[in-house]
Amino acid sequence: EIVLTQSPGTLSLSPGERATLSCRASQSLSSSKVAWYQQRPGQPPRLLMFGASSRATGIPDRFSGSGYGTDFTLTISRLEPEDFAVYYCQQYGSSPYSFGQGTKLEIK
Amino acid sequence: QVQLQESGPGLVKPSGTLSLTCAVFGDSITNSNWWNWVRQSPGKGLEWIGEIYHSGSTNYNPSLKSRVIISVDKSKNQFSLKLTSVTAADTAVYYCARDTPRNGDAFDTWGQGTMVTVSS
Repeated sequence: EIVLTQSPGTLSLSPGERATLSCRASQSLSSSKVAWYQQRPGQPPRLLMFGASSRATGIPDRFSGSGYGTDFTLTISRLEPEDFAVYYCQQYGSSPYSFGQGTKLEIK
Repeated sequence: QVQLQESGPGLVKPSGTLSLTCAVFGDSITNSNWWNWVRQSPGKGLEWIGEIYHSGSTNYNPSLKSRVIISVDKSKNQFSLKLTSVTAADTAVYYCARDTPRNGDAFDTWGQGTMVTVSS
């Protein structure tokens, strides 16, 4: 099973700042099978990025993804108030599919 | 717009069977998608349970495989989850989700989730 480790666990930033979230895999991943999700309290996860760097429909361009091998990054260029939430990375190239433990992005 | 809706008992007794259904609206379950179950224990992260294709092919998480059955009902455009021999550790919000080639096989549509508590 592939284990995904996200860092930091909590990220405290202010609106307008840049956020960089990391996801490290226990073994090399196919970049085409890495996704990022946003989850707000009481809501299901929302797909942000697939294939490591492709934005899902309706996702603003301040969100971007990158990475290959074992290291992947989600960047939010300028934080908006609605971006403060929990973010999960996922690999869906090797069963069992797995999620990271999440990064909580909170308002500083 | 595609929507998924979970339904089922919110309370299950220990050693019993958890049974949930996911109704699919706005898409045919026979399209080229896999249909998934994911759970989230209170205050914790996401755990993939398994997936099914409309042909009936399934993949399960080995950690749950001995207790899980996922099935599909094409006539009702829905799929279901059964988890047997439940314990308190199975208390969680259960989500159904679609993965589609249109979004690189990522989980692009999720139900709102249903809370299941295992307790006597």
